[in-house]
Amino acid sequence: GNSVTQMEGPVTLSEEAFLTINCTYTATGYPSLFWYVQYPGEGLQLLLKATKADDKGSNKGFEATYRKETTSFHLEKGSVQVSDSAVYFCALSEDTGRRALTFGSGTRLQVQP
Amino acid sequence: DSGVTQTPKHLITATGQRVTLRCSPRSGDLSVYWYQQSLDQGLQFLIQYYNGEERAKGNILERFSAQQFPDLHSELNLSSLELGDSALYFCASSALQGGNSPLHFGNGTRLTVT
Repeated sequence: GNSVTQMEGPVTLSEEAFLTINCTYTATGYPSLFWYVQYPGEGLQLLLKATKADDKGSNKGFEATYRKETTSFHLEKGSVQVSDSAVYFCALSEDTGRRALTFGSGTRLQVQP
Repeated sequence: DSGVTQTPKHLITATGQRVTLRCSPRSGDLSVYWYQQSLDQGLQFLIQYYNGEERAKGNILERFSAQQFPDLHSELNLSSLELGDSALYFCASSALQGGNSPLHFGNGTRLTVT
């Protein structure tokens, strides 16, 4: 079946540091890949997505590239801010698009001023 | 604001009881998904409805059931509650029935079973 594996947190960084949160997946076919973010006390929000190999999703300074050869979709940001502190979830949707998303376990990011 | 409304925000109840969680999807969205978020299990997909019909089932216990009504709101019923059912329950909606359509999440219902 489908699965998503994320690096365990928490990840603690100083403001303006470079961020990488690793995500790898197992899936049949060619899934679409997503990053969702959950701020304290809120539901998840879509951050970015990529629907085919080599696509790069980007939003709010965050980027992730769909790497089919390494089955990865790592999240990166060049300079994090305190306001980026949240839990980040990697997710996939099977290529038929008819099933609900499969989420990773989430990675908590704490950015210190 | 995602446009998805979940009530109640908090629910405290005793073991063995039954509760109902309610979700109003974003205007125009036909699909509703229920997820359970707990510290040890992460975010688990429970069930999906599309335009009133069940479309997919995930790790939903037999003690749990759900339905989507003609006005598209959905309810998740949890019965014979156990301590381990304590979790945050999220509803999400999307325009289409597929996972490629972005999900819009509500802020969740926090269930505490004592």
